[in-house]
Amino acid sequence: NAGVTQTPKFRVLKTGQSMTLLCAQDMNHEYMYWYRQDPGMGLRLIHYSVGEGTTAKGEVPDGYNVSRLKKQNFLLGLESAAPSQTSVYFCASSTGTDRTDTQYFGPGTRLTVL
Amino acid sequence: AQSVAQPEDQVNVAEGNPLTVKCTYSVSGNPYLFWYVQYPNRGLQFLLKYITGDNLVKGSYGFEAEFNKSQTSFHLKKPSALVSDSALYFCAVRAFGIQTGANNLFFGTGTRLTVIP
Repeated sequence: NAGVTQTPKFRVLKTGQSMTLLCAQDMNHEYMYWYRQDPGMGLRLIHYSVGEGTTAKGEVPDGYNVSRLKKQNFLLGLESAAPSQTSVYFCASSTGTDRTDTQYFGPGTRLTVL
Repeated sequence: AQSVAQPEDQVNVAEGNPLTVKCTYSVSGNPYLFWYVQYPNRGLQFLLKYITGDNLVKGSYGFEAEFNKSQTSFHLKKPSALVSDSALYFCAVRAFGIQTGANNLFFGTGTRLTVIP
């Protein structure tokens, strides 16, 4: 049971390049989330998904797209990377959005956009 | 609007001494509060949560947190700090986000705990 895994761990992009971050979970969770972590700002929700085939916007969705084609995977895409997207990206999953649910996090992807 | 504040960016404590990491919150309705810990180059690990009931919540690695409704606080505590407790600690509240239209986690900015040998 690996929990939540993220690929890749590190990436450097040039402005305007595109890339996809992959998140996978083996806990059969319905809900998955993408956050970004910036110094002094905590974690902010980018997009989330309440089940296979669904996606929804979080607090800071601009410049990102997501897809949830399979229940266990949640992809985060950057179509045209910008330096402002330099950040550490975390994926999380949970059984649902009941307020008592606990979210479980992956190890993170450190992205630098030059 | 919902918010979480961690007033201290950095907390230093000597090994063996008790530690406290502070958190205050603002939320409409009942608060659902969480503490996570992040070790260097790792993801966030769940420590404990308050849903309802006993104001003292016990969690992983000997940590506990005290919910105080009148002071809108949820401070993280440990009776005797270990060097291995040195990490970044995040408080979070589960609340309805107007922007998202769903119940989401809202995080504080984090407190870096350093336990000095």
